[in-house]
Amino acid sequence: SQQGEEDPQALSIQEGENATMNCSYKTSINNLQWYRQNSGRGLVHLILIRSNEREKHSGRLRVTLDTSKKSSSLLITASRAADTASYFCAAYNFNKFYFGSGTKLNVKP
Amino acid sequence: GAGVSQSPRYKVAKRGQDVALRCDPISGHVSLFWYQQALGQGPEFLTYFQNEAQLDKSGLPSDRFFAERPEGSVSTLKIQRTQQEDSAVYLCASSGEGSGGFGYTFGSGTRLTVV
Repeated sequence: SQQGEEDPQALSIQEGENATMNCSYKTSINNLQWYRQNSGRGLVHLILIRSNEREKHSGRLRVTLDTSKKSSSLLITASRAADTASYFCAAYNFNKFYFGSGTKLNVKP
Repeated sequence: GAGVSQSPRYKVAKRGQDVALRCDPISGHVSLFWYQQALGQGPEFLTYFQNEAQLDKSGLPSDRFFAERPEGSVSTLKIQRTQQEDSAVYLCASSGEGSGGFGYTFGSGTRLTVV
């Protein structure tokens, strides 16, 4: 069974708009990571936020973490058609990733 | 190679057949995970190795599943007497770090279809 929930399950936006995905998890964490997966491919690491951090930026990505609510969000700014993929959060707690169910993002050109 | 390599890329097995899935991690990587991803779902943990030691196998769904990494590099996930519910993508990931969850690279996976 999935250890995390992601919201929304699917998101469709126009190129240039921002995309926000939310994730809730159940376990305590060392860190939380976001991954991207194109159809039929492996997972690509996007960004990692440690449990003692609240916000992190990397290029067009911004991730927040609220450990009191066991939730995280990923913001992709100025989206591009190439951002179309599934996005997963992964809560890491000693030697194990707990993945959410994923958000399927479609960016229309 | 530069990445984690998994083979075969696709495998079709008849129900009851045994299969072996291979993972070649990045050279020198200490930590290795196997994950199972059902269609439309997130990956679910199967097992974790640090070098040749299998430190956690709590995610293996039944005793038909067996994983090994005898020399601390290549790993094999074996599924005996495959069932239809075993159909999924099996993902391998490796990291040069020990515990901590940093620096993991995932392979492209093996898509197993049991018919």
